[in-house]
Amino acid sequence: ELKVEQNPLFLSMQEGKNYTIYCNYSTTSDRLYWYRQDPGKSLESLFVLLSNGAVKQEGRLMASLDTKARLSTLHITAAVHDLSATYFCAVNNDMRFGAGTRLTVKP
Amino acid sequence: ETGVTQSPTHLIKTRGQQVTLRCSSQSGHNTVSWYQQALGQGPQFIFQYYREEENGRGNFPPRFSGLQFPNYSSELNVNALELDDSALYLCASSLGGGVNYGYTFGSGTRLTVV
Repeated sequence: ELKVEQNPLFLSMQEGKNYTIYCNYSTTSDRLYWYRQDPGKSLESLFVLLSNGAVKQEGRLMASLDTKARLSTLHITAAVHDLSATYFCAVNNDMRFGAGTRLTVKP
Repeated sequence: ETGVTQSPTHLIKTRGQQVTLRCSSQSGHNTVSWYQQALGQGPQFIFQYYREEENGRGNFPPRFSGLQFPNYSSELNVNALELDDSALYLCASSLGGGVNYGYTFGSGTRLTVV
């Protein structure tokens, strides 16, 4: 059975700092998704990663995929308060989700 | 272009009752997936439909069933409701498995079972 693990589950950062969220998965997959969810809201698609070594960037967020290690990272550069949200990774076409990383960016 | 629309937004049901949740996919999307999200947890995959056929199912009992219609809208039916079924139910649609832009999620239906 596919397992998707994210860490950390909770992350409190100061504005301007960098940090990385990790997503490990247990079986081979041909795609990995990253989503953002604000409190009380639905999920917003951030990135879709399809191949080993894929890297995508949008603003202060950069996602990468290592299919051999079954690992994806979401790197946050110079965090700002607006990035406070819960970030989920999901694996496979039917999207099996991790538990999420709740990010709080403090001034 | 409209997004994914779910109805109703909130629902309160009694244990043992049946419920039907509805989802209107984003225009042009032929794949729809349903998820259950308990408070503070990640979405759990219920099932997926592609062109009106079930295309995968998660670890949910048979009392969770679904349909996809020719216009690619979808329904989630839950029979014999249990208290643990209380959750946010999310519908997500895509074209081609979301390989370009991921899946588009609806705002969800908040189901409370009392």
